[in-house]
Amino acid sequence: QKEVEQNSGPLSVPEGAIASLNCTYSDRGSQSFFWYRQYSGKSPELIMFIYSNGDKEDGRFTAQLNKASQYVSLLIRDSQPSDSATYLCAVPKGVNRDDKIIFGKGTRLHILP
Amino acid sequence: GAVVSQHPSRVICKSGTSVKIECRSLDFQATTMFWYRQFPKQSLMLMATSNEGSKATYEQGVEKDKFLINHASLTLSTLTVTSAHPEDSSFYICSASRSSNEQFFGPGTRLTVL
Repeated sequence: QKEVEQNSGPLSVPEGAIASLNCTYSDRGSQSFFWYRQYSGKSPELIMFIYSNGDKEDGRFTAQLNKASQYVSLLIRDSQPSDSATYLCAVPKGVNRDDKIIFGKGTRLHILP
Repeated sequence: GAVVSQHPSRVICKSGTSVKIECRSLDFQATTMFWYRQFPKQSLMLMATSNEGSKATYEQGVEKDKFLINHASLTLSTLTVTSAHPEDSSFYICSASRSSNEQFFGPGTRLTVL
């Protein structure tokens, strides 16, 4: 089993709808979880992080974490064409700044105008 | 967030030459930086962890003699691709953490080896 798994997509969502991106991880001891957005030809940008079970909201983005199921998701409300990108789920190997991060392969999201 | 810069943003070189890429943390000190490589339409691949004042830690399968990493100060890490070949053409990205384990990425360097 891969350490961080995501559906590669592409996921097509109509403009204005909710985009739901999912991720599962294998290390039950993981404590923090990140979502990065990567536009084509650009480097990843951190958009959300979550540490506790439940939901965390930031503007149109909501991260959801279920540690029992080892599942983390990202919801994007009122999807816009500018949300079209690859979304990377990332799970650090530890809590320190020198700990490496395991990235999923990413889900390509396409918002249909 | 934290600001990480890379230079150059794009480089084209001839096969057999060496190319140096710089990664700088602009508004914080980074004892650790990370170097990634990404081929077109593929996922990020961690190449090595760069540690200030000590040797880098390379991931399995990454040739340390080909990809030289130097982390001489708390704000600068360099990656040198030695004797570059066309198969080394890729998007090289560095990252650093400011305080916790959140990594912030530089804008990347696109290397093309002719």
